[in-house]
Amino acid sequence: GAVVSQHPSWVICKSGTSVKIECRSLDFQATTMFWYRQFPKQSLMLMATSNEGSKATYEQGVEKDKFLINHASLTLSTLTVTSAHPEDSSFYICSARDTLAPLPAFFGQGTRLTVV
Amino acid sequence: AQSVSQHNHHVILSEAASLELGCNYSYGGTVNLFWYVQYPGQHLQLLLKYFSGDPLVKGIKGFEAEFIKSKFSFNLRKPSVQWSDTAEYFCAVNTKAAGNKLTFGGGTRVLVKP
Repeated sequence: GAVVSQHPSWVICKSGTSVKIECRSLDFQATTMFWYRQFPKQSLMLMATSNEGSKATYEQGVEKDKFLINHASLTLSTLTVTSAHPEDSSFYICSARDTLAPLPAFFGQGTRLTVV
Repeated sequence: AQSVSQHNHHVILSEAASLELGCNYSYGGTVNLFWYVQYPGQHLQLLLKYFSGDPLVKGIKGFEAEFIKSKFSFNLRKPSVQWSDTAEYFCAVNTKAAGNKLTFGGGTRVLVKP
């Protein structure tokens, strides 16, 4: 199946710093990518929809200034957690849709962020 | 708004037992339905999907799911589980009205004892 790669797989950062997470579709073009957050023992919650060449659409309650999303090309979207705090510690997962065959979405392996 | 409910949070069973995981959704229109699996330490993988047609869908690894429109359900089944089926299973729904976004259920952790 199609491959979506997320980098890094895990990251530890200090409070107040920013962290960038990359999501790449390796063998297909993705006009749309999605960013999810998964708290321990909970389901995936959609944070935002990332559209290539335009502004991301954020879900209600998600701070767009804190979670900056850039989708500069058809194969790359980035999520930057700015001024991270311990409560931002979580598992972040991206998914991407093949532009030519939009369903189903394929998921990256996730990034575990720990803010200390 | 669409929502997805998975009734069982944890399921423990022995190898060769049959598995059925419940999934109900709330949306009155046309839906696309999915089951994803997340093995320990791995990313989400698609098990099977339903778009239209035969309501009994067969997926990978011996899994199947049945779409029952009148019950708004899409339950996942496997006749005989293996230890390697230990994972977390997520039901998800997608509708055109919601902008093709996937909404996930809470997940069910399945532990298969050898």
